[in-house]
Amino acid sequence: DQQVKQNSPSLSVQEGRISILNCDYTNSMFDYFLWYKKYPAEGPTFLISISSIKDKNEDGRFTVFLNKSAKHLSLHIVPSQPGDSAVYFCAARRTGGTSYGKLTFGQGTILTVHP
Amino acid sequence: ETGVTQSPTHLIKTRGQQVTLRCSSQSGHNTVSWYQQALGQGPQFIFQYYREEENGRGNFPPRFSGLQFPNYSSELNVNALELDDSALYLCASSNPSEWRDTIYFGEGSWLTVV
Repeated sequence: DQQVKQNSPSLSVQEGRISILNCDYTNSMFDYFLWYKKYPAEGPTFLISISSIKDKNEDGRFTVFLNKSAKHLSLHIVPSQPGDSAVYFCAARRTGGTSYGKLTFGQGTILTVHP
Repeated sequence: ETGVTQSPTHLIKTRGQQVTLRCSSQSGHNTVSWYQQALGQGPQFIFQYYREEENGRGNFPPRFSGLQFPNYSSELNVNALELDDSALYLCASSNPSEWRDTIYFGEGSWLTVV
């Protein structure tokens, strides 16, 4: 049962344009969401997160939007740069209890930004 | 640089053997989680250790076991290796008192079972 889904395996964008990566989840108990970026041969690097009490969080070129009713979140990268080319993972977590380190990940989306 | 270090980076084992992977967590982080990432998939949660005790486990059989030491470093042990255990194993550290945003991953250990 895939509780977090990234339905686009890949995305190709021109440098300077907007990249939009999407993520859907099914477990309504998830209340904290994170995006990670991963280069080959490296571990995932934290990018940005959002709590379920918010619908938007911005950090520089990165903005995450959360639509709780649709159980959908998206990551916007504006403007996209060639160095953003990597695999992007959406992850979700339930807060409280013993859930601190337990993330449920999507399958990832390969983003390629062309110069 | 996340401060989470893993060893070894690559290893090859034969089916049926046992393997131990090691992780040093970021300073001040008392919670360590382990993940398995198969090719083309997202990381899958194996288990989590907090103050030397396992306190959360994913859908992995008992032949996957772990330890956390007083200095919060950790080991992942896998017995009776199977071909499907070939994957990238990721260690992540966090501090529950700062639970937001502070799950940091190491570079991973690539395990190939032949």
